[in-house]
Amino acid sequence: DARVTQTPRHKVTEMGQEVTMRCQPILGHNTVFWYRQTMMQGLELLAYFRNRAPLDDSGMPKDRFSAEMPDATLATLKIQPSEPRDSAVYFCASGLVWTSGGFVDEQFFGPGTRLTVL
Amino acid sequence: DQQVKQNSPSLSVQEGRISILNCDYTNSMFDYFLWYKKYPAEGPTFLISISSIKDKNEDGRFTVFLNKSAKHLSLHIVPSQPGDSAVYFCAATGTASKLTFGTGTRLQVTL
Repeated sequence: DARVTQTPRHKVTEMGQEVTMRCQPILGHNTVFWYRQTMMQGLELLAYFRNRAPLDDSGMPKDRFSAEMPDATLATLKIQPSEPRDSAVYFCASGLVWTSGGFVDEQFFGPGTRLTVL
Repeated sequence: DQQVKQNSPSLSVQEGRISILNCDYTNSMFDYFLWYKKYPAEGPTFLISISSIKDKNEDGRFTVFLNKSAKHLSLHIVPSQPGDSAVYFCAATGTASKLTFGTGTRLQVTL
């Protein structure tokens, strides 16, 4: 039963602390996405990777957010320093995209990390 | 600016009746549209999609309609069931992989 896993599921931290969220994409998927869900904006794309290379991180506040894929089985999203306005649910998703473009599979989402910054 | 809009934050429908969820988009470069369903404390799951070369796609109780000239799509659920109660997100893409999502519509199916 292939699925995207995310850790931690919940995180409560104080303003100014570093937060790291981890994602294990589905084995064989070549594209990984990070989204943030807020009431006002719905699901916002923060960044995404193809074959571990960052393709687009324009949705991310660059001064405090960073996203990496150290290897094909791990994607990380880091916030340093965290602020109360970062409180949201962060989702990771993975998918398989042909080299010529177009999905083979749709995006599969993990269960999310609920972040609360006090 | 919201390129994908779901103007109804919530919808309540009686069991057995039709649920119609609407979505509007502004970017004419979008050529592939998807609906995702989300239960509380879970990630969104793919429901149904439609390419811009079609105006209708059906999968069981779920049908998506696309009106390109109006930049509008809708999801019909017939008949609605209590298990359909969830948040539904409309999404669109024009670059084959990067999705732009709407803000979601919470559907409540009542007995």
